[in-house]
Amino acid sequence: SQTIHQWPATLVQPVGSPLSLECTVEGTSNPNLYWYRQAAGRGLQLLFYSVGIGQISSEVPQNLSASRPQDRQFILSSKKLLLSDSGFYLCACVSSSYEQYFGPGTRLTVT
Amino acid sequence: TQLLEQSPQFLSIQEGENLTVYCNSSSVFSSLQWYRQEPGEGPVLLVTVVTGGEVKKLKRLTFQFGDARKDSSLHITAAQPGDTGLYLCADLTDKLIFGTGTRLQVFP
Repeated sequence: SQTIHQWPATLVQPVGSPLSLECTVEGTSNPNLYWYRQAAGRGLQLLFYSVGIGQISSEVPQNLSASRPQDRQFILSSKKLLLSDSGFYLCACVSSSYEQYFGPGTRLTVT
Repeated sequence: TQLLEQSPQFLSIQEGENLTVYCNSSSVFSSLQWYRQEPGEGPVLLVTVVTGGEVKKLKRLTFQFGDARKDSSLHITAAQPGDTGLYLCADLTDKLIFGTGTRLQVFP
């Protein structure tokens, strides 16, 4: 079965600082990978998705970016964080058999 | 861009009551999924439905997919405090698009 790892679990960063969140996947190859952000008690907003190495699709224009340097690694970054970037960030994986898995999430607070 | 609207946004009920939550899409679903999420955790898949008019039951949960494949409902019978959580519908295409969510609170 597949496992998704995310780190860090929690992060407190000042406005204007850089960001790097990492997601790695075990137990599958060539998965579709997704980054979501979730505001408290609300649905998940799709930020980026990737169908392969170096292939990134952005859903929402913003100051965030994503990269996929390896098949099972997905990174979410920012050069300068905004207060509005605070939220719960989830990495997800959809396997070739259409099974979906979510990582444990990263709680980001921008102060 | 596909929009998935869920209603109600919030629902607070007593243990033993029945409830229904709804999911409506601006376009036809490819593959409709329902998830439940607890605070601080990722969503957990409850069910996947593909065929218009399909009804699936999972213990006290009944999922119905509209004939036109643009809407769905989730009915919970005799709700229990353990049903508390955020219920999300989603469409699985090359992107996994989630609905706005319904937050359910079941009081003992």
